[in-house]
Amino acid sequence: QVQLVESGGGVVQPGRSLRLSCAASGFTFSYYAMHWVRLVPGKGLDWVAVISYDATTKHYADSVKGRFTISRDNSKNILYLEMNSLRPGDTGLYYCARDSNPTQWLVLGFDSWGQGTLVTVSS
Amino acid sequence: DIQMTQSPSSLSASVGDRVTITCRASQSISTYLNWYQQKSGKAPELLMFVASRLQSGVPSRFSGSGSGTDFTLTISGLQPEDFATYYCQQTYSTPLTFGGGTRVEIK
Repeated sequence: QVQLVESGGGVVQPGRSLRLSCAASGFTFSYYAMHWVRLVPGKGLDWVAVISYDATTKHYADSVKGRFTISRDNSKNILYLEMNSLRPGDTGLYYCARDSNPTQWLVLGFDSWGQGTLVTVSS
Repeated sequence: DIQMTQSPSSLSASVGDRVTITCRASQSISTYLNWYQQKSGKAPELLMFVASRLQSGVPSRFSGSGSGTDFTLTISGLQPEDFATYYCQQTYSTPLTFGGGTRVEIK
């Protein structure tokens, strides 16, 4: 079965960096686009970024553009999120999620999610 | 960016009730609208995609409708396991955006 396991969260001071990882198993990782989504306390779900199956295309939320970088290693079945210049507003539970359809990505929703890794940005 | 507005933000209902949640987009998104359910402490789960298509494994008491800017998620006969927060999401254009969520509580 599809399994996504996030790691790398923690408590970090504003302005510092953090790298999240998402280990994928149970499916052909290299076929699917992958997303990062965060659950922000008191606000709900907030889409962060997407990377195409072959890493040639990436899109970001305006709030993280220029600070966060999404990447993937298809040989290791791992998705990454490099987060720089962190702000208190980046605090949240970060999920990786699989795009539903390899041939119609960015359209049909996210059909598998990890359990999340908590990022707290505070001085 | 496309803004998604859900209403109500919360509601109280009883088991067996029919519940309707609405989602409005700030511009037309055709039917590029998905719905998710999130239970406390759990990851979100995809319920509906492209407005009205039921994700595999989701009970048929869930239904979705709408196109353009106005969408609804209906639960026909609320069950105890349906008490959760529901989110709409537009996938018409990036950046993808979610609605603020609707919390369905037990009356």
